[in-house]
Amino acid sequence: DQQVKQNSPSLSVQEGRISILNCDYTNSMFDYFLWYKKYPAEGPTFLISISSIKDKNEDGRFTVFLNKSAKHLSLHIVPSQPGDSAVYFCAASRRGGGNKLTFGTGTQLKVEL
Amino acid sequence: EAGVAQSPRYKIIEKRQSVAFWCNPISGHATLYWYQQILGQGPKLLIQFQNNGVVDDSQLPKDRFSAERLKGVDSTLKIQPAKLEDSAVYLCASSLLRLTPGQPYEQYFGPGTRLTVT
Repeated sequence: DQQVKQNSPSLSVQEGRISILNCDYTNSMFDYFLWYKKYPAEGPTFLISISSIKDKNEDGRFTVFLNKSAKHLSLHIVPSQPGDSAVYFCAASRRGGGNKLTFGTGTQLKVEL
Repeated sequence: EAGVAQSPRYKIIEKRQSVAFWCNPISGHATLYWYQQILGQGPKLLIQFQNNGVVDDSQLPKDRFSAERLKGVDSTLKIQPAKLEDSAVYLCASSLLRLTPGQPYEQYFGPGTRLTVT
């Protein structure tokens, strides 16, 4: 049972344009959502997060939007840079879950010159 | 600040052999996690320790996988005997102890150990 889904395995964007990565979840008990970025041969690194009591969180070029009614969140990167090329994982946790994260399958972002 | 250390980085073994992975978390991080990431999938939590106690091992295949964190610092994950489907990257992560409910603490990941079972 895949509780966190990233339906686009890959995304290609031109440098300077906006990248939008999407994530859907099924478990209504999730109350915190995170995005991790992963380069080849490295572990995932934390990028940005959002609590379920908010609908938007912004950090520099990165913004995460949460639509609770649709059980959907998205990560916007603007402007996209070549160094953003990586795999992006969406993850979720729930209150009382002991900090356990449930990850999606990831989206490979390629930012082209 | 030193990050999460893992060794070895790569391991190739034959099925039915045993293998062990080592993880040293960030100093002061009470919580340690082992994840399995199969190619094309997201990381899946195998076991979570808080200090030297197990918090969650519900997804650990206990007939062949074992893990310990005896002194509440570094940890080892063992597979015995290995199967072909164990081929994956094994990630270790650590975080601070969560003192307030609701907000998860950021997990810091090591580089992982890529295991190939032939």
